[in-house]
Amino acid sequence: GIQVEQSPPDLILQEGANSTLRCNFSDSVNNLQWFHQNPWGQLINLFYIPSGTKQNGRLSATTVATERYSLLYISSSQTTDSGVYFCAVDGGTASKLTFGTGTRLQVTL
Amino acid sequence: IAGITQAPTSQILAAGRRMTLRCTQDMRHNAMYWYRQDLGLGLRLIHYSNTAGTTGKGEVPDGYSVSRANTDDFPLTLASAVPSQTSVYFCASSDIPGTANTEAFFGQGTRLTVV
Repeated sequence: GIQVEQSPPDLILQEGANSTLRCNFSDSVNNLQWFHQNPWGQLINLFYIPSGTKQNGRLSATTVATERYSLLYISSSQTTDSGVYFCAVDGGTASKLTFGTGTRLQVTL
Repeated sequence: IAGITQAPTSQILAAGRRMTLRCTQDMRHNAMYWYRQDLGLGLRLIHYSNTAGTTGKGEVPDGYSVSRANTDDFPLTLASAVPSQTSVYFCASSDIPGTANTEAFFGQGTRLTVV
């Protein structure tokens, strides 16, 4: 099956800093999503982005499908950005997501 | 607010007991899924259903069964729980492939502890 690798595994930022999270995948995809899992365990949809670039406030994402990677940018980080960021992809015909192991982000004051 | 509702929120279960986790969605999505999340890992697919009346196996289906009698409900059953099924379980839904947008949406999760 398709493989998903995320980097870095852990990241500590000071409030106000910017960061880039990366997601590499091993095959072509029909669906790519970024999620934020908050400290209460809730999975929050950030982006549905099988290709192209999207922006939502301080967050933006770019997927280069031909090169099999996606980037999530967080600008002016806040403590509420803390949590785990997951990339998930579906390369098949049934919308079944394969998740990476996530990037754990801690934003400090 | 439209979305996915899971019940119970958490449960402690004796090994060997039967348990059904409930999932209901009101977004009229055709496809539904069950995932489990273990400590330090991403989510792994247990079972899925592309439409009412059909189901399929995911990456880790052993010890679990599902049914899809209608569009809205997708219960997950553990016939005889074992400690290795201690996990957080997430239900999700999406439109099926071939539609314009197959974005998946997740419920709040069920934390299950098997002792």
